Amino acid sequence: KQEVTQIPAALSVPEGENLVLNCSFTDSAIYNLQWFRQDPGKGLTSLLLIQSSQREQTSGRLNASLDKSSGRSTLYIAASQPGDSATYLCAVVTGANNLFFGTGTRLTVIP
Amino acid sequence: DTAVSQTPKYLVTQMGNDKSIKCEQNLGHDTMYWYKQDSKKFLKIMFSYNNKELIINETVPNRFSPKSPDKAHLNLHINSLELGDSAVYFCASSQDPPASQPDTQYFGPGTRLTVL
Repeated sequence: KQEVTQIPAALSVPEGENLVLNCSFTDSAIYNLQWFRQDPGKGLTSLLLIQSSQREQTSGRLNASLDKSSGRSTLYIAASQPGDSATYLCAVVTGANNLFFGTGTRLTVIP
Repeated sequence: DTAVSQTPKYLVTQMGNDKSIKCEQNLGHDTMYWYKQDSKKFLKIMFSYNNKELIINETVPNRFSPKSPDKAHLNLHINSLELGDSAVYFCASSQDPPASQPDTQYFGPGTRLTVL
């Protein structure tokens, strides 16, 4: 059974710092991996999707990497801003679009 | 302009009642989903619908029944509500049919259900 773990559970950084969020999964037979952002009362926002054949994806200040063989993904956020404060979720997608979510990392960027 | 919308945003009800949560997407997507987020913020998929066919049901009690009147709507009906049903429920949609490589899912804002 697929299990997804995110470390750390919570992270506080001063504004402007670069940071890395980690995600690991137990079964490497995935179609893709997605990173989401969750804001209170606003549901989930999809940030990046990495196909199983890819190693990284970039969107603005965000860069996500995928090492399928080792079951790991990282989300790199450059030059963090207070508006980046949210809970970040990674999810792996298996057959039939089953989405297995991690428990999230709560990020606080301090002005 | 909301892509995926849910109503109501908050729902407080007594044990034993029957309630529904509505979901609509205006993205023209083929597949819609319902997720339950527990108190530890863990999201689990409950159902997905493609072309009015249920394609995933992750051991959800049969008190929960998804109903899709058309491709743009997937409503969640819950009968005989129990205390353990209290959670935030998220609706989502994606473009792909189930046989193809999965695509990004777009989520609604969530519905916080509280059962007293």
